[in-house]
Amino acid sequence: DAGVIQSPRHEVTEMGQEVTLRCKPISGHNSLFWYRQTMMRGLELLIYFNNNVPIDDSGMPEDRFSAKMPNASFSTLKIQPSEPRDSAVYFCASTPGGELTDTQYFGPGTRLTVL
Amino acid sequence: AQSVTQLGSHVSVSEGALVLLRCNYSSSVPPYLFWYVQYPNQGLQLLLKYTSAATLVKGINGFEAEFKKSETSFHLTKPSAHMSDAAEYFCSGSQGNLIFGKGTKLSVKP
Repeated sequence: DAGVIQSPRHEVTEMGQEVTLRCKPISGHNSLFWYRQTMMRGLELLIYFNNNVPIDDSGMPEDRFSAKMPNASFSTLKIQPSEPRDSAVYFCASTPGGELTDTQYFGPGTRLTVL
Repeated sequence: AQSVTQLGSHVSVSEGALVLLRCNYSSSVPPYLFWYVQYPNQGLQLLLKYTSAATLVKGINGFEAEFKKSETSFHLTKPSAHMSDAAEYFCSGSQGNLIFGKGTKLSVKP
């Protein structure tokens, strides 16, 4: 079975540019999570969706970040405009149900570098 | 507020030695607790999960963790380290929200 798929795996962009990260959750999973991982702050939950509806976006750092889930098989995380401090690895994860107690299945991550 | 604390950002053991990675949670009610492992350039994978069914939880790759309410701890252990265990390990707790510890990087010396 295919796991969580993220694209691109690596992204290098210049400050001020728009960045879009993509995620395809495991088929049949109802919840999708976006995380950011940095050396300084560790793993941070940015936002999560249940049945395509955003449930908690309190972790989104600022208005430059936005996330959408137009259908059960696709989600995007957009940064506009990007800044060097956004450089991090961004992970997407999905779970079978809608509970935060479910096991999370993580994608391989997107390494973002903003110059 | 709920928190998960991992003691030690880096642990180094010799191959064959005991692995002990520490995790403490801060919550008035025991949350669901997880240990995840992250190998280089990969996403996190579940090692084991505590759901209150049993205080000693066995996971994959020979790891286990014991939930101790009196100590608010959920330490991860493995009797004998293998080179392939070198990775970063994350403790996570869920009780209304989801929190990850800062991670502990495990090095295994030959």
